[in-house]
Amino acid sequence: GNSVTQMEGPVTLSEEAFLTINCTYTATGYPSLFWYVQYPGEGLQLLLKATKADDKGSNKGFEATYRKETTSFHLEKGSVQVSDSAVYFCALLIKAAGNKLTFGGGTRVLVKP
Amino acid sequence: NAGVTQTPKFRILKIGQSMTLQCTQDMNHNYMYWYRQDPGMGLKLIYYSVGAGITDKGEVPNGYNVSRSTTEDFPLRLELAAPSQTSVYFCASQNAGTGEHEQYFGPGTRLTVT
Repeated sequence: GNSVTQMEGPVTLSEEAFLTINCTYTATGYPSLFWYVQYPGEGLQLLLKATKADDKGSNKGFEATYRKETTSFHLEKGSVQVSDSAVYFCALLIKAAGNKLTFGGGTRVLVKP
Repeated sequence: NAGVTQTPKFRILKIGQSMTLQCTQDMNHNYMYWYRQDPGMGLKLIYYSVGAGITDKGEVPNGYNVSRSTTEDFPLRLELAAPSQTSVYFCASQNAGTGEHEQYFGPGTRLTVT
């Protein structure tokens, strides 16, 4: 089956530090890959996505590159802000499987001033 | 710009009670989904619908029912609530025809069963 594994949190950082959240996947087909972000008390929002190998998704200073050879989609940001404190979810979707998302367990990130 | 709306925001149920969680989207999306999020966990798919009149089970459908009589609405019914159904429930929608793949989420309903 399909599964997503991401590093457990919480990850605590100081403002302007470098952030990496690891994400690896297993899939029975060719997936699209996503990072969703959940701010406190809110629903999930799409942060970025990549639909084929070697694509780089980027948004709000965050980046992730679709690595088919290592089945990974690690999220990075060079300089985090307090406002980046949230829970981050890696997810995959295989269109042939009814457009259903498979989520990782989420990584809580706390940025301190 | 409403997007996906869910009601209620919070609810406390006693064991054995029933309730319906409401979800409405105004984006004319054909696909809709119900997820539950347990503390410290990712989201698990309960049910989904690819269009009005069509529903299918997800990963954790037991104890729930859904209907999709219109494009806009996708209510989730809990019959005989159990403590194991204590969770945060998210509804989402997607325009699967555009190839965009993005799912748009509502703000969630926090349910406690005691």
